[in-house]
Amino acid sequence: GAGVSQSPSNKVTEKGKDVELRCDPISGHTALYWYRQSLGQGLEFLIYFQGNSAPDKSGLPSDRFSAERTGGSVSTLTIQRTQQEDSAVYLCASSLQGTDTQYFGPGTRLTVL
Amino acid sequence: AQSVTQLGSHVSVSEGALVLLRCNYSSSVPPYLFWYVQYPNQGLQLLLKYTSAATLVKGINGFEAEFKKSETSFHLTKPSAHMSDAAEYFCAVSEGPGGFQKLVFGTGTRLLVSP
Repeated sequence: GAGVSQSPSNKVTEKGKDVELRCDPISGHTALYWYRQSLGQGLEFLIYFQGNSAPDKSGLPSDRFSAERTGGSVSTLTIQRTQQEDSAVYLCASSLQGTDTQYFGPGTRLTVL
Repeated sequence: AQSVTQLGSHVSVSEGALVLLRCNYSSSVPPYLFWYVQYPNQGLQLLLKYTSAATLVKGINGFEAEFKKSETSFHLTKPSAHMSDAAEYFCAVSEGPGGFQKLVFGTGTRLLVSP
C-alpha cells in the first residue's frame, strides 16, 4: 500500500515568512510523529499525535512551531516567522496504535534564506 | 531519559568485508531498539528492531544486530558488505511496552564501501 507522503518535497522561503508542511500518514495509522533533521542537531523529535488524545508537544523548539492533525489523518506543521536556524529536513512518521514500528516519509527540505 | 551513542561518524570497508556499526544506549526503562538506514535524499527505512523477544535480531538486506543488556549495546553487523550498502545508518531507542514511543536517535554513522 501507499506509504507516508509529505509535501512539498522542497521549500525555500525568506526569513520572517510563515510556512506550512503537510504529512499524509499511512491509512489506518493512528499515531503520527514529526521529527527534524539538521546538521547541527541531528534527528530530533518535535511532536506526537495519538488518536484523539492531546498531542505531546514536548519537542517543539519554540512557540513559533505548531502542528495540527485534522480528522485523525492529515497533519500540518506550521512554522511562523521563520529563522535561518529553522533550515532542516522535516520528517513525518506514522505507526499503528499499540505497535512500535514507525514508517517515515521522504521529508520536506526547508531552506530559510 | 534515554540516549544513544554511535561510535564513529564514518566507517569505511571494502566490498565483501565485514560491516560493524556500533551503538550503545542508555535507558531507565526496558528499551525498544531500532536501526534505520537513510539513502541520499530519502527518508528513513527500518532495517531491524528489538522488542524484548529474541536478542539476536535479523533484518533486511542481510543485516543483523544483537541486544546485549550487560553491555547496553545493540551493534549492527553484516558478514559481507555490498556497494549498495553505502548509506547513513541511525540507531534509535524508545521506551518499551506501554511507554512513549518517540524515537531518540544517535548521530548516525556513514558507511562507505569501496570496490
